[in-house]
Amino acid sequence: DADVTQTPRNRITKTGKRIMLECSQTKGHDRMYWYRQDPGLGLRLIYYSFDVKDINKGEISDGYSVSRQAQAKFSLSLESAIPNQTALYFCATSETNQGDKLFFGSGTQLSVL
Amino acid sequence: QKEVEQDPGPLSVPEGAIVSLNCTYSNSAFQYFMWYRQYSRKGPELLMYTYSSGNKEDGRFTAQVDKSSKYISLFIRDSQPSDSATYLCAMSGGNTDKLIFGTGTRLQVFP
Repeated sequence: DADVTQTPRNRITKTGKRIMLECSQTKGHDRMYWYRQDPGLGLRLIYYSFDVKDINKGEISDGYSVSRQAQAKFSLSLESAIPNQTALYFCATSETNQGDKLFFGSGTQLSVL
Repeated sequence: QKEVEQDPGPLSVPEGAIVSLNCTYSNSAFQYFMWYRQYSRKGPELLMYTYSSGNKEDGRFTAQVDKSSKYISLFIRDSQPSDSATYLCAMSGGNTDKLIFGTGTRLQVFP
């Protein structure tokens, strides 16, 4: 079984719809992250959480929100999806501070029409 | 200027070739350097991890860090078709507690 599980794997939605991407992990890590990946732009950090009561914005948080429901669960929401949010989204976890080794899920391909 | 620069490729080589992948960076405080491998439609997976300067070898893979030149490299010896993937460099350190990724280099190894 995967250590970091993302659902759904693929999602097609329409402009203006609210959607949620979910992530769960069995690694026991405190730190969780949401990234998006776009061709030519690489991985960009959306939000991250160092524990259940800690939520931090990344470099591209506008239009997104997150919820850390438990140590093992971190969900990403798009309140009103727009086409330029079409991307590959990754959840990741890590154990410690600097020098973190990130462990990624398999990703969610999101298409906003 | 981006903090981390990486040639996007694609890089196409024959099986058995030696591959060199590189990244340059601007933040002299970076101390942790990593290479991730990402297969198509999969999440990145950690391939090599280096702290500070020097070399690290793991099988056919060697990671080099030259902090004086702000330059890191990943060498793949005896490349195989199964090495075909996108390789991302990543680094952190100083007052940057989050990983900064390069945009990735796409590698194709043909039989």
